[in-house]
Amino acid sequence: AQSVTQLGSHVSVSEGALVLLRCNYSSSVPPYLFWYVQYPNQGLQLLLKYTSAATLVKGINGFEAEFKKSETSFHLTKPSAHMSDAAEYFCAGGYQKVTFGIGTKLQVIP
Amino acid sequence: NAGVTQTPKFRVLKTGQSMTLLCAQDMNHEYMYWYRQDPGMGLRLIHYSVGEGTTAKGEVPDGYNVSRLKKQNFLLGLESAAPSQTSVYFCASSPRGGRYNEQFFGPGTRLTVL
Repeated sequence: AQSVTQLGSHVSVSEGALVLLRCNYSSSVPPYLFWYVQYPNQGLQLLLKYTSAATLVKGINGFEAEFKKSETSFHLTKPSAHMSDAAEYFCAGGYQKVTFGIGTKLQVIP
Repeated sequence: NAGVTQTPKFRVLKTGQSMTLLCAQDMNHEYMYWYRQDPGMGLRLIHYSVGEGTTAKGEVPDGYNVSRLKKQNFLLGLESAAPSQTSVYFCASSPRGGRYNEQFFGPGTRLTVL
């Protein structure tokens, strides 16, 4: 069965610090990978997606992710956290049937 | 464009009652999905559809049925609601699979089963 694993259900960073949210996928997950963000009481919205054109993918709001096939990872990063980045982030993968990770809640400390 | 809309936004049911959640999209997307979101469990796929008239089971299909009679609508039915179905339900649509499977989500339906 395909699976997507997010390490750390809660991550806290200081404002201005590096954000690193980890995602690993099982080898049975087709290499179509996505990161979504969810703000409180809202639906999810796409941050970025891996399309095989480049291993480093840039998304909205300064986020980017690197696809590493050898490590089956697709970690999300942002060089400098803003207060507005506080939200829940989901990694997902699949072709038709998309599997989501359990989510990582990002807290940004002033 | 309204994007993906869900009706209703909130609902309280008693155990054993039935209801239908409606999802509508105006983007001419082929694929549509129903998820439930529970604390600590992320999003779990209930059922999905890859085109008008088609449906398929997801990760947690038991207790739910779906229909996609029109391309723009995807209905989720609960025939006999149980407290374990208390959750937030999200509908999503996407153009098609693979690298094009960017999903557009509705605002969610918060369902409580007493």
